[in-house]
Amino acid sequence: DTEVTQTPKHLVMGMTNKKSLKCEQHMGHRAMYWYKQKAKKPPELMFVYSYEKLSINESVPSRFSPECPNSSLLNLHLHALQPEDSALYLCASSQDQAAGSHLPLHFGNGTRLTVT
Amino acid sequence: QKEVEQNSGPLSVPEGAIASLNCTYSDRGSQSFFWYRQYSGKSPELIMFIYSNGDKEDGRFTAQLNKASQYVSLLIRDSQPSDSATYLCAVFRSNYKLTFGKGTLLTVNP
Repeated sequence: DTEVTQTPKHLVMGMTNKKSLKCEQHMGHRAMYWYKQKAKKPPELMFVYSYEKLSINESVPSRFSPECPNSSLLNLHLHALQPEDSALYLCASSQDQAAGSHLPLHFGNGTRLTVT
Repeated sequence: QKEVEQNSGPLSVPEGAIASLNCTYSDRGSQSFFWYRQYSGKSPELIMFIYSNGDKEDGRFTAQLNKASQYVSLLIRDSQPSDSATYLCAVFRSNYKLTFGKGTLLTVNP
């Protein structure tokens, strides 16, 4: 079982809906990540939070809005998505994201998102 | 040149054989190297990580790193059908981003 918990496991939403993906970790990690993975493709980085501050935004469209309420929680707010946004959304955490950090990412089980 | 390159496979080996998975990377400032295993429909699972040149062994798995050649490999000894999965090479680059290769699909035949 993973120590990074994502909810919901599956989500179906229409293009006019607003929904949120949630991620929680209790390992004391200070860096948290959102990745997007399409079928038969590798995970692609979307956002990185380090010490609750957004440190990397990979030019993600504004219909995806991340939020880090505290060091254990990470949300991804979704609004006006397109069918091509359907994918597996993966949350991950690591102890740190500082320069020279060698610490591996631990992934949650993901949320399978379908946009209709 | 792609940032992280892997042969997409599929790589097919008989049960009990050694599976050899390879990865090259372009960023010479890359600091850390990881191998993840991903079963179909599941999330990536960390298998090995390596930071220094040379070999690192953990059970049936051995990671090898050659920074001069910008090359990382994963050897799986005594391959089992349960090892059948996609293996993702990931590189922590100088821009503090973890970048994945496209993955190699491994099939271990009973």
